[in-house]
Amino acid sequence: EDQVTQSPEALRLQEGESSSLNCSYTVSGLRGLFWYRQDPGKGPEFLFTLYSAGEEKEKERLKATLTKKESFLHITAPKPEDSATYLCAVLPGGGGTSYGKLTFGQGTILTVHP
Amino acid sequence: GAVVSQHPSRVICKSGTSVKIECRSLDFQATTMFWYRQFPKQSLMLMATSNEGSKATYEQGVEKDKFLINHASLTLSTLTVTSAHPEDSSFYICSAVGVTNEKLFFGSGTQLSVL
Repeated sequence: EDQVTQSPEALRLQEGESSSLNCSYTVSGLRGLFWYRQDPGKGPEFLFTLYSAGEEKEKERLKATLTKKESFLHITAPKPEDSATYLCAVLPGGGGTSYGKLTFGQGTILTVHP
Repeated sequence: GAVVSQHPSRVICKSGTSVKIECRSLDFQATTMFWYRQFPKQSLMLMATSNEGSKATYEQGVEKDKFLINHASLTLSTLTVTSAHPEDSSFYICSAVGVTNEKLFFGSGTQLSVL
């Protein structure tokens, strides 16, 4: 069974204090690992897709990396507007799996204080 | 960029009534759409996979007769919660897969409250 575990469950940072969020996964063949940002009462907003170990992607203050067992979302010099829940999800490989049928982690609630 | 529109964003209904939620892909064709459910401070749980022109595939434990899914066109899928009860109160979110599979787009979600 595919599993995704995110840590920590909640993270409080001061503005400018860089940190990382972790996403550990076990999956039967990884087709893709997705990072999303979710604001309260809203749907997830796409951030990154990573496909293979060693891959990295960046967007503004965010950088996502991938190994064979986990992914990290690095936040550099965060601002209060970065406060949100960050979700990690995996898309398993294998025949017959619908593309888009994601297994989500429980999320990390990030709060950045000014 | 591609956008998925979900409507309504919030609905309050009486127990026993039915509620329809729409999910539209605005500028791309989506052969597959997914419906998720999210309880407060919990992650998204997949309910069903909706394929255009065919019956939806439901995840284990999801009642197909309670959660009716129709995917009549390449841009529209609907989820109808039939005879809703308070325990059906939740945040429902749809997603759609475009032609370029790198990204999966989510709707803005529907908060259902059953009184």
